[in-house]
Amino acid sequence: GENVEQHPSTLSVQEGDSAVIKCTYSDSASNYFPWYKQELGKGPQLIIDIRSNVGEKKDQRIAVTLNKTAKHFSLHITETQPEDSAVYFCAASSSYGKLTFGQGTILTVHP
Amino acid sequence: NAGVMQNPRHLVRRRGQEARLRCSPMKGHSHVYWYRQLPEEGLKFMVYLQKENIIDESGMPKERFSAEFPKEGPSILRIQQVVRGDSAAYFCASSPTRQGVYEQYFGPGTRLTVT
Repeated sequence: GENVEQHPSTLSVQEGDSAVIKCTYSDSASNYFPWYKQELGKGPQLIIDIRSNVGEKKDQRIAVTLNKTAKHFSLHITETQPEDSAVYFCAASSSYGKLTFGQGTILTVHP
Repeated sequence: NAGVMQNPRHLVRRRGQEARLRCSPMKGHSHVYWYRQLPEEGLKFMVYLQKENIIDESGMPKERFSAEFPKEGPSILRIQQVVRGDSAAYFCASSPTRQGVYEQYFGPGTRLTVT
């Protein structure tokens, strides 16, 4: 089955800096890669996703890149703000949408 | 448009009791997924259902756990004879019916505590 590795497990940045979180996947058939933000006590919130026919996607301060050959994808957050502090999860799916999640990254943005 | 709804938000059960977790998908969504999140861990897939059908239950323990999504009403995740190891957050997600659309939208979760 699919296996998703996520790094780093914790990330601390100063407000205004950029943050990058990286994930690798094992199943070459995976074709959908979403990113979720989870705040304490809440459910995961879909923030951006990318499909295998696209190499990069951007939405305001958030961007995701995908390298199918290397089987890795990354989340980039620019101009970080304290409200970006949360746990971020990457995921991969190869079929009808069953998601395999990474272990999560705790992002802390210091004012 | 209301989001995915789950209830109860918190559930406390003694060992050996039954737990019933309910999930109402977003309007227009007929695909439901259940995931479990243990403390300090990521989410693990349990089961995927469409109306009146279980499509994939490969992530669900063979014993004590069952799920349904009836024609009318919410999806139900049922855990019989709960044990302490069942303590976790259980999340439901729903997805649109359109073919090739995979976005999953999560509910707030049910936090189960087994004492």
